[in-house]
Amino acid sequence: DVKVTQSSRYLVKRTGEKVFLECVQDMDHENMFWYRQDPGLGLRLIYFSYDVKMKEKGDIPEGYSVSREKKERFSLILESASTNQTSMYLCASTLDRGSNEQFFGPGTRLTVL
Amino acid sequence: SQQGEEDPQALSIQEGENATMNCSYKTSINNLQWYRQNSGRGLVHLILIRSNEREKHSGRLRVTLDTSKKSSSLLITASRAADTASYFCASGSYNTDKLIFGTGTRLQVFP
Repeated sequence: DVKVTQSSRYLVKRTGEKVFLECVQDMDHENMFWYRQDPGLGLRLIYFSYDVKMKEKGDIPEGYSVSREKKERFSLILESASTNQTSMYLCASTLDRGSNEQFFGPGTRLTVL
Repeated sequence: SQQGEEDPQALSIQEGENATMNCSYKTSINNLQWYRQNSGRGLVHLILIRSNEREKHSGRLRVTLDTSKKSSSLLITASRAADTASYFCASGSYNTDKLIFGTGTRLQVFP
């Protein structure tokens, strides 16, 4: 089975802090995605990556950056956390290019105070 | 916004009843997928239907797709309390890696 893990289930940070959210998948998947999920808004794509060191902006990239130095790991970075970034963050991966089935991690609930 | 929409937003039924959720999307698609999310957890893929298919079954799940109306429905038959979760549709288009998710339907099944 594909396993997608995220570094923390719950995280509390202060405004202005730099925040790293880590995601690791163990099935040699090409694509990896970062979403945020807010009540009533569904899932919104922040960034995705289709290869090592390759990234593309999603629908709401402002205030975020990403890093993919190794195929299995995709990091989401909040350079200076703000209260409006309090949310559930979900990582996902797919085997290859194309709009295929996505495998999700358990999510990180981030609170920014 | 390209986001899909689902209705109803919330649905409460008794065990043994059927649950139907509907999804509308805005663009031409390659496939339409349904996911389930238990409270506070990640999403789990349930079923994928391709644009040239009209109906697909998987266990107690039945999905239909009407590309002329840009809509899909998910039917869960003989529901169980364990089916309580949020359900999301996601549309996949040609020449893109991205999925566009709907806003979800919260299903509550009472024992």
